[in-house]
Amino acid sequence: AQSVSQHNHHVILSEAASLELGCNYSYGGTVNLFWYVQYPGQHLQLLLKYFSGDPLVKGIKGFEAEFIKSKFSFNLRKPSVQWSDTAEYFCAVISHGSGNTGKLIFGQGTTLQVKP
Amino acid sequence: AAGVIQSPRHLIKEKRETATLKCYPIPRHDTVYWYQQGPGQDPQFLISFYEKMQSDKGSIPDRFSAQQFSDYHSELNMSSLELGDSALYFCASSPPAYNEQFFGPGTRLTVL
Repeated sequence: AQSVSQHNHHVILSEAASLELGCNYSYGGTVNLFWYVQYPGQHLQLLLKYFSGDPLVKGIKGFEAEFIKSKFSFNLRKPSVQWSDTAEYFCAVISHGSGNTGKLIFGQGTTLQVKP
Repeated sequence: AAGVIQSPRHLIKEKRETATLKCYPIPRHDTVYWYQQGPGQDPQFLISFYEKMQSDKGSIPDRFSAQQFSDYHSELNMSSLELGDSALYFCASSPPAYNEQFFGPGTRLTVL
């Protein structure tokens, strides 16, 4: 079965520190990749997505992610975090193949806590 | 811009009661997805509809059913509620032939 794995479950950083959250997926075919953010008590918001083309994608709020096909990875980065980045971050995948219906498979999530 | 609308936003039920959650997709979106997010968990896919037909089914209990109506809104019906059904239920919609999903604010269901 397809799966998504996020390596860091809980990350604590000070403001201005750099961030990298790991994400690996198990599907070997064509995929669409996403990072979502969920602020406390709120719904999922799309940070960025990769469909094709340049493997380095830029999203909102200064986030970026790099798709490395050979490593089945889609790590999220931000050079300098802010206190307002405190939230839950989910990596998600849509796999393309027979019977693909577009459902998202989510990773377990990473809780980011940024200390002021 | 119009977003996905879910109602109600909060719902409190007793065990063994029934609940109906509603989702109104973004106009001209033809696909609706339902996800369940338990406390501290990642969202889990329940069921999806494309053009009013069920297109995929995930880890949805037999006590749950759903449908998509002619105006593309969808309803998730939950019967014989259990304490473990307490969760945030998200609906998402996507436009024709495009794999990005737009999420609604969710319905927080609490079963007492």
